[in-house]
Amino acid sequence: QSVLTQPPSVSGAPGQRVTISCTGSSSNIGAGYDVHWYQQLPGTAPKLLIYGNSNRPSGVPDRFSGSKSGTSASLAITGLQAEDEADYYCQSYDSSLSGPSYVFGTGTKVTVL
Amino acid sequence: EVQLVQSGAEVKKPGESLKISCKGSGYSFTSYWIGWVRQMPGKGLEWMGIIYPGDSDTRYSPSFQGQVTISADKSISTAYLQWSSLKASDTAMYYCARLGGMTTVTNWFDPWGQGTLVTVSS
Repeated sequence: QSVLTQPPSVSGAPGQRVTISCTGSSSNIGAGYDVHWYQQLPGTAPKLLIYGNSNRPSGVPDRFSGSKSGTSASLAITGLQAEDEADYYCQSYDSSLSGPSYVFGTGTKVTVL
Repeated sequence: EVQLVQSGAEVKKPGESLKISCKGSGYSFTSYWIGWVRQMPGKGLEWMGIIYPGDSDTRYSPSFQGQVTISADKSISTAYLQWSSLKASDTAMYYCARLGGMTTVTNWFDPWGQGTLVTVSS
C-alpha cells in the first residue's frame, strides 16, 4: 500500500504547464527525506527523471523540474510535448514503525490533449 | 555504460519455484545496492527489498519479508529474486534497479533493468 499520494491523472495541451503533486507524511517527506521522480513510458521500465528533490540526471530536458515543501513534493512539466505522455511516480524513504523502507507514490498518468 | 539485464519472461504453475536474475555491467557491482520492485498488471510500483552484493547484506520490505528471497553472486555480477512456492497473485512485472545516493535514506533507483514478466497460472 502506497504511503505517497498522487493524483491519478493530469492532462494538458501541447506547450502547457502541468504539475503533479506527491503528498506524504511526517515519517517520509515531512521527515526531510529526499523525493525522487520517475517516468514510465508505455510498455517500458521506469526511468529516473529527478533525484534529490530537484536535480535532473544528464539527458533529462530542463522542461522537467522538481520541488519539495513540508510533507509534499511536486513535479512540473513546462512546454508539454506529446512524448511526455506517460506514468509518473514519486519515491522517498519512510521510517514508520513497521520498519524502514523505500516508498513509491500511487502514480499519475499524464495525457497530452 | 551502466546496465542491468534481466532474465526472460517466465510462465509457471502455482506451487512451483522460480529464480529470476539481474546481471550488472559497466560499474563495480560490489559497490552499489541493488533493489527489486514489483509492478502488478495495471498497477503502481512496490519496493520489495535490496541487497548489497559486496557482503550480501539484505533488507526486505515488511510486505515481502518471508515471501521472497533476494541473493547475489558477486563473482558473476548477478542478483537474484526467488520464490519457493508461487501463487497466482505473484503474477507481475519485476524490475531490478541500482541504488544511487550517498546514504540509505537518500537513495534513488537508477538505472533499471528491462523487467521480467512472471505469469503464474494453472
